[in-house]
Amino acid sequence: DTEVTQTPKHLVMGMTNKKSLKCEQHMGHRAMYWYKQKAKKPPELMFVYSYEKLSINESVPSRFSPECPNSSLLNLHLHALQPEDSALYLCASSHAIQGEGYTFGSGTRLTVV
Amino acid sequence: RKEVEQDPGPFNVPEGATVAFNCTYSNSASQSFFWYRQDCRKEPKLLMSVYSSGNEDGRFTAQLNRASQYISLLIRDSKLSDSATYLCVVSLGVNFNKFYFGSGTKLNVKP
Repeated sequence: DTEVTQTPKHLVMGMTNKKSLKCEQHMGHRAMYWYKQKAKKPPELMFVYSYEKLSINESVPSRFSPECPNSSLLNLHLHALQPEDSALYLCASSHAIQGEGYTFGSGTRLTVV
Repeated sequence: RKEVEQDPGPFNVPEGATVAFNCTYSNSASQSFFWYRQDCRKEPKLLMSVYSSGNEDGRFTAQLNRASQYISLLIRDSKLSDSATYLCVVSLGVNFNKFYFGSGTKLNVKP
């Protein structure tokens, strides 16, 4: 299995909703990442987990809450989002060593209304 | 100053042409380097890693110049299917890879 699977593929939520994005990989990768990508912009790093511990939080607002329940799963909990949070949310994973390229999931396209 | 700078293009080239993209990075401690390809509304996909000695994969050649903090990608014999955005990536980190993405260079290969 060489894939990173993200669900759902599309999500529309209101500003008062609570939702979660899910990411799963079975490649034995011990580093997992959340990125946000707006149209015609490069991906922006949000969070890095290494060995199931949060290693980097790029000053992301608390309305985004990551969780790494085990080495294969990564969640992103969403609450009280704003319309400007609408974007493509990409999960990625890699071996926890320097020099490894990421494998990206196909993303969740989020629209906040 | 941005960590990684790329010419956004677009580069409009005919099929069969050779095209080169360049990228500069600002952090001399950057450890690993990659080119990713991203098609419209899709996720980025790893095209190739970039090694100090330069490396080739079919029609694609990547070069790294650490002294000048410069990375390049050469595409020979361009195909219509090469049309995409090419993202230059540099990486830092120990037990993970913190990627810094360039803004991407758009390539349009025309018949």
